[in-house]
Formats: sequence, structure tokens, C-alpha cells
Amino acid sequence: DTAVSQTPKYLVTQMGNDKSIKCEQNLGHDTMYWYKQDSKKFLKIMFSYNNKELIINETVPNRFSPKSPDKAHLNLHINSLELGDSAVYFCASTKEESLAQYFGPGTRLTVL
Amino acid sequence: SQQGEEDPQALSIQEGENATMNCSYKTSINNLQWYRQNSGRGLVHLILIRSNEREKHSGRLRVTLDTSKKSSSLLITASRAADTASYFCATPYYNTDKLIFGTGTRLQVFP
Repeated sequence: DTAVSQTPKYLVTQMGNDKSIKCEQNLGHDTMYWYKQDSKKFLKIMFSYNNKELIINETVPNRFSPKSPDKAHLNLHINSLELGDSAVYFCASTKEESLAQYFGPGTRLTVL
Repeated sequence: SQQGEEDPQALSIQEGENATMNCSYKTSINNLQWYRQNSGRGLVHLILIRSNEREKHSGRLRVTLDTSKKSSSLLITASRAADTASYFCATPYYNTDKLIFGTGTRLQVFP
């Protein structure tokens, strides 16, 4: 009955690899987001999708590519991983009229 | 940087005491939100205050908003050990759904 779920919870990988993080929400929300939280706990938005359409694309390297197969899913694919990509990545969703965002549990990515 | 700032960065109190956290932001807003993050977990939405409101209550939480000073405060009354977490304010960037999060306040409540 988890509202916003992410897999995997932990991801440890080598530099140069390609990896994906999956996100699903069962709240019927229209908009989904990806955030990056660094080691100092700064949280910054990366992408926003509304009904499978990209709305926000912050200044993020094009090695990061979000994909939304349907309204309930927003996956994040990262190519050629770098040390600086190590962070916790959060998926979130919202229903427009409520404004509050619901966050997933996070995926801790460690690039060695 | 668009990022808001929170003050203090860290706060330690005893159970039963009140905790006050402050947030300053930079752009004009139509609402301000507060979130809690327990260690190793995702953020949880606590409360939203609209720009035409000055004060809002939810259980032991009290939020104030001063749009002239671009600041907000979160008061947690009668704190409990379970309130130990990081607290973030968030404002919409020029009234879009893009949220700008503050730097966070780490609250430690000792039993």
C-alpha cells in the first residue's frame, strides 16, 4: 500500500556504468518529479513530468534521462556514471490542486 | 542561488520543550510548505500556508508567514523524541510547481 515507491533502495556501481532507478505512485497523481539530495542534504529538483510530458528539465547533464511510460511511473536512467553522481535520489508526485508533494523513500546511489 | 535558508542549522532540545525553526526565501510566493525528513527516509509533507494567511495550526505544529519579510517559522510545541528529524521549508518557484527547498534544520529531541 506504499504511495510512492522506488527501486532499488541502494545502488552501488562503478564509474562509467549505466543504471536505472524506477519510481511508481499509486495515488493517481498527475505530476511526478525527480530530486537529487547531496551529502549536505541540499535537495534540488531535476525533472518534472505531467501526464507523461516533460515539464521541468533543470540544468542536469544529458547523461540523465527520465522516462515516463505512463502516468504512474517515472524512471530515471543515468549513463556513464561519475563520482559526483553519488547522492540520494528521490521521486515525488503531486495532484495539482493539493500542491503538497509525496516523496518516495529514496535511492542511495554510490559511484565508486 | 534560489535556495532558501533555514535557521538554525541544528537545534537540540529536551522532550517537552518547544522548537522553533525559521525559513527565509527569495521570490514572491503563493504558498509555503514545510516538510519533515527522518534519517534515511523520504520527505513527508507537514503543512502548507498560503500567501494570504498569516498563521496556521495543525496539531502541535504552528506555522507563521510574513510575506513582507519573506520569512516563515515553524513551531513544534511539547516536542517528543519522535520529532527528531530534519525540517525543510519549500516555496514554489514563481508560482510554478517547481519547489525550491531550504537548507533544512536538523532537530534533535532528547528524551
